[in-house]
Amino acid sequence: GDKVKQSPSALSLQEGTNSALRCNFSIAATTVQWFLQNPRGSLINLFYLVPGTKENGRLKSAFDSKESYSTLHIRDAQLEDSGTYFCAADEGNTGKLIFGLGTTLQVQP
Amino acid sequence: ETAVFQTPNYHVTQVGNEVSFNCKQTLGHDTMYWYKQDSKKLLKIMFSYNNKQLIVNETVPRRFSPQSSDKAHLNLRIKSVEPEDSAVYLCASSRDRGRRNAEQFFGPGTRLTVL
Repeated sequence: GDKVKQSPSALSLQEGTNSALRCNFSIAATTVQWFLQNPRGSLINLFYLVPGTKENGRLKSAFDSKESYSTLHIRDAQLEDSGTYFCAADEGNTGKLIFGLGTTLQVQP
Repeated sequence: ETAVFQTPNYHVTQVGNEVSFNCKQTLGHDTMYWYKQDSKKLLKIMFSYNNKQLIVNETVPRRFSPQSSDKAHLNLRIKSVEPEDSAVYLCASSRDRGRRNAEQFFGPGTRLTVL
């Protein structure tokens, strides 16, 4: 959790609202991945990023390697978005993904 | 269906026993990994392995060892389990893209409880 810091650690949203999650890196990351861990424990791939932005439905993610951070924006939150969101950065192209401690999101009706 | 498969889903055992977890990927990837997720949900890499190289995280105790029969399989053996080994063990795979770290895909995990 020291090399990849996620914020906030927990978040509660009303259905239909928007929010942003953030990761700050103290390593020289060249790629970033975002995952959603569902209640069953499976890690679902959301984004794989080189520096830049990607969008997929209600999710949008950005990775700025110079400023060492990445963001995940959730638009129009739905109940099924609930779970723990992890970001992970590579460490010097070694294949080692360094994970943050996650953001636990609960979407309320 | 192409994915990363792990067995068993759960395993309960006693201190000192040997356990082995299986991982198979049908994605045609070249590199496989094992991660440990502790009770605080922190995921840490234990091993990465392709047909050329095994990379071991220096913090992994020697009672842990990966075992591979081919590039689609990477099992994890724990020789003599200890209480602190209780965790979820996640297997992952990626395509070998050379210099750039490739996207990793994860299996559903094996939850180990050591009594």
